[in-house]
This record gives sequence, C-alpha cells and structure tokens, in this order.
Amino acid sequence: DVKVTQSSRYLVKRTGEKVFLECVQDMDHENMFWYRQDPGLGLRLIYFSYDVKMKEKGDIPEGYSVSREKKERFSLILESASTNQTSMYLCASSRGGISDTQYFGPGTRLTVL
Amino acid sequence: AQSVTQPDIHITVSEGASLELRCNYSYGATPYLFWYVQSPGQGLQLLLKYFSGDTLVQGIKGFEAEFKRSQSSFNLRKPSVHWSDAAEYFCAVGAREYGNKLVFGAGTILRVKS
Repeated sequence: DVKVTQSSRYLVKRTGEKVFLECVQDMDHENMFWYRQDPGLGLRLIYFSYDVKMKEKGDIPEGYSVSREKKERFSLILESASTNQTSMYLCASSRGGISDTQYFGPGTRLTVL
Repeated sequence: AQSVTQPDIHITVSEGASLELRCNYSYGATPYLFWYVQSPGQGLQLLLKYFSGDTLVQGIKGFEAEFKRSQSSFNLRKPSVHWSDAAEYFCAVGAREYGNKLVFGAGTILRVKS
C-alpha cells in the first residue's frame, strides 16, 4: 500500500513565523503535490514537483515556496505566515502520468494566529 | 480555462436509498476524470477514474460513474447508500495538455439518515 505521511496533523503558528510542512511518500513516485483545502472551494493546487529539484507553480502559489531535495520528500514553506493561510494542507503523490492515481496524506490543519 | 462544477454542496439521503452526485466540467481537451472521497479526518481516497473506453466505470465500495461527453458530465451513482458512505466527495479533471495537474470541484457533503 502507498503511504503518504505528513509531519503534523495540527499546527498553530503566529503571524510572521516561517512554517515548514513536510510530506514523505514511500512508493518511489515521481510526482508530488501540495494542495490547500477550504470549505466551499475544494482543493486548490499550490505547487507540484515532477522530479527531484523540479517544481512548478499551481493555481495559488503566492506566499508559498517548496523544496524537493530527495525523491520521497516534498516540503511546503510559508515564508511569513499570515492569517489567510489558515487552512487544511494536503500532500499527494503519483507515479507518473495524468491517468495515475494521486495518493493523499491525512492533511495538516494549520492555524495562524 | 479548465473548471469543475459540483452543483450540490450538501445532499442528504436515507440509508438504502439511491444516490447520484453531479459533476460538470469545462475542458477543451479529452478529459481524465476522477472521483475521490474524503471521510471525516481522513485524506482523499480514489473511488474511480475514467479516461477511455466504456463510459460507465465501476469503482470501489459499490460506486459507479458515467461519462457523458455531450453533457460534459461525470456523475457518481450508488444504488443503495450505507451509513458509512457519509463523507465529502470530490470530482476532479485533468488533461494531458495541462500536464499532470488535476482541477478539483468544490465538493459535495453527503449525509446519510437512518
């Protein structure tokens, strides 16, 4: 079974803090994704990566950056957290093409005070 | 631009009743279509997907979906709902022209009453 793990289930940070969200997958998948999930908006893609050190912006990259130094790990960074970044963050991975299933982690509920 | 519409934010059905969740998409290309389910406190799990062949696809947990190109729809159905089906359901669409990205709908929350 594919397993995608996220470093924290719940996180509380203060405005202006630098925040790191970590995601690890154990199936040697090429692609990794970061989404944020908000009620009534569904999932919106922040960034994705199709290879080590490769990244592409998604639909809402502003205020975020990512890092993929190893194939199994994909980090989302909030350089200076703001209250409007309070959300559920979901990481996913997939093997390769568009038809491949994306496997999701359990999510990190981030609250910025 | 690609978009996905799930017209129903909430749906309530009685246990044992049939279910249909609607999904409409706007794409200029041949779409790859997915339905995911998110149970409370869980990540998303794939129910089924379609990208070619028979337009009626079977998925896990007794779900099926039908692709209708003329209506740009990919509705999810289940003949008899169980209390454990209470969850949030997301339709997602992708296309090769847009890389490996998916666009998700806003989701439909299913409540099951006994």
